Amino acid sequence: KAGVTQTPRYLIKTRGQQVTLSCSPISGHRSVSWYQQTPGQGLQFLFEYFSETQRNKGNFPGRFSGRQFSNSRSEMNVSTLELGDSALYLCASSLVQGTKETQYFGPGTRLLVL
Amino acid sequence: GESVGLHLPTLSVQEGDNSIINCAYSNSASDYFIWYKQESGKGPQFIIDIRSNMDKRQGQRVTVLLNKTVKHLSLQIAATQPGDSAVYFCAENSGYSTLTFGKGTMLLVSP
Repeated sequence: KAGVTQTPRYLIKTRGQQVTLSCSPISGHRSVSWYQQTPGQGLQFLFEYFSETQRNKGNFPGRFSGRQFSNSRSEMNVSTLELGDSALYLCASSLVQGTKETQYFGPGTRLLVL
Repeated sequence: GESVGLHLPTLSVQEGDNSIINCAYSNSASDYFIWYKQESGKGPQFIIDIRSNMDKRQGQRVTVLLNKTVKHLSLQIAATQPGDSAVYFCAENSGYSTLTFGKGTMLLVSP
């Protein structure tokens, strides 16, 4: 099976702009989670979607939003970009099997905000 | 909030040595733990997982140990190779596909 894919891989934006990142999960996986990775804060959970519904959300401002489509593909949006939003944004998909939800990560989208 | 943390930020070993990477977690209710390997420029790669009803699980060259009494996880890599050089993260499943990650340990393998 193909792995998790994310587009674009690299992105440069300026402060105040908005950005949309895309994630295609592994075929058959219905859960998609998003994480932000920075050198200072490490890997932090943003939100998780399952069957087009957000089930859980991390401690990020409302400028960070997401959605999931009927084919399980997901997008996340960051509005009014700030310098501190520069990070690697990772998407992970999982096949929910009871309480064991192994997540498989994509390569990430590296966002640079100038 | 509760978090997962690592004791050592960097571990340097010689090729062929066994490596041990440690992790402490604080949520005693966590029932599923995962180790990931992240190479430069890539996303985290699943290595091995363990449920809380187990204390040991083995994979190919890797073993994960879980000590629930002291809330400690470790990843053992046998016969470490240069290709094992990466950052290793432990993570606990907080439910609904939400992972809480440790800060990571960089493993450096010298030939």
